[in-house]
Amino acid sequence: DSGVTQTPKHLITATGQRVTLRCSPRSGDLSVYWYQQSLDQGLQFLIQYYNGEERAKGNILERFSAQQFPDLHSELNLSSLELGDSALYFCASSVGSKAGAKNIQYFGAGTRLSVL
Amino acid sequence: SQKIEQNSEALNIQEGKTATLTCNYTNYSPAYLQWYRQDPGRGPVFLLLIRENEKEKRKERLKVTFDTTLKQSLFHITASQPADSATYLCALDPSSGGYNKLIFGAGTRLAVHP
Repeated sequence: DSGVTQTPKHLITATGQRVTLRCSPRSGDLSVYWYQQSLDQGLQFLIQYYNGEERAKGNILERFSAQQFPDLHSELNLSSLELGDSALYFCASSVGSKAGAKNIQYFGAGTRLSVL
Repeated sequence: SQKIEQNSEALNIQEGKTATLTCNYTNYSPAYLQWYRQDPGRGPVFLLLIRENEKEKRKERLKVTFDTTLKQSLFHITASQPADSATYLCALDPSSGGYNKLIFGAGTRLAVHP
């Protein structure tokens, strides 16, 4: 168990809808990262938050947004969903915000999103 | 363009043998390179991190090498066991010690047969 909690485990929804994925980081970790994993794209970095502030952005679509709350949990909002958004969404956490041996990322079990 | 490449085909080996997985990258100068293990439907699990000034790193039956001239990392599992069967991902931080935004390879699936 990595200590990172993601809910829900599975989500089935229809095109055009909006969903919210939730992540609770490991105790003591201030950084939260979101990744998308699909069969054809592999694991893709979406966005990083550190102590409530956005720190780095990847290829995150404008239809997607995220935030990190004062209690450090994070939510990823996906709107106007398309079939191609079906994927596994992972959250990871680390102590700090910078790359390095002291900031290993620990991943949650993921949320499997199916858009029908 | 920037790329991280891992053997796309599955690697099948016999129990007890050494598995060697390759990670090549182009147009990056990473300060660190990491290896993760991922089981089907589960999140990646960190295994090892190697710095650019380290040639080799070991942890139990795992060994990682990092050649910044060849832009390649090799990941070895010695005395492999069926429980080692999984997908192994290499990852690097393209900002060279900046923000912790990991870029992952597509992964190599390892199958260890009894």
